[in-house]
Amino acid sequence: AQKVTQAQTEISVVEKEDVTLDCVYETRDTTYYLFWYKQPPSGELVFLIRRNSFDEQNEISGRYSWNFQKSTSSFNFTITASQVVDSAVYFCALSEAIQGAQKLVFGQGTRLTINP
Amino acid sequence: DADVTQTPRNRITKTGKRIMLECSQTKGHDRMYWYRQDPGLGLQLIYYSFDVKDINKGEISDGYSVSRQAQAKFSLSLESAIPNQTALYFCPPSCLAGETQYFGPGTRLLVL
Repeated sequence: AQKVTQAQTEISVVEKEDVTLDCVYETRDTTYYLFWYKQPPSGELVFLIRRNSFDEQNEISGRYSWNFQKSTSSFNFTITASQVVDSAVYFCALSEAIQGAQKLVFGQGTRLTINP
Repeated sequence: DADVTQTPRNRITKTGKRIMLECSQTKGHDRMYWYRQDPGLGLQLIYYSFDVKDINKGEISDGYSVSRQAQAKFSLSLESAIPNQTALYFCPPSCLAGETQYFGPGTRLLVL
């Protein structure tokens, strides 16, 4: 069965520090998709990135970057020069095909607190 | 964004009451889903639907039922609410496997 593990339950850093959120996944599928979502205190789930299993290029978007390594089944997320507004719970998710539909398997989330 | 509307946004109910959460989308997606997020945890799939004639159980369907009244509408019912069903409920539509699902603000339910 698919599984996503976010071993870091909570992380607290001081503003401007770099921080990496870890995500390790398990799947038997050869084609799959990985996602990161941000959940601020409002509760809304905000999409950050999607990566398919055939694309191992790292992705950078402003202060955000993602490191996908198939060899270690990891899809880690780094925030550079963190800001207080980055404080949120971050979820890593793995797609699982179910009869032509898509189920997302979520990790437990990492609560990130950026202190001023 | 997928232009999804969930109603109500917040609801407080009592144990044993029947309650319906509604979801509608305007993008013509054929597949719709209901997920539940327990406080402090990740999301779990309750039900999903391919179209109005196709409803499927997810991993935590006990205590819930759904209705796909039209392609654009997918309702979730709690026949007899219990406190363990206190959670944030999301209804993200999508078309194909691998497509990005937008979850929106969800419905916050508190069962007393």
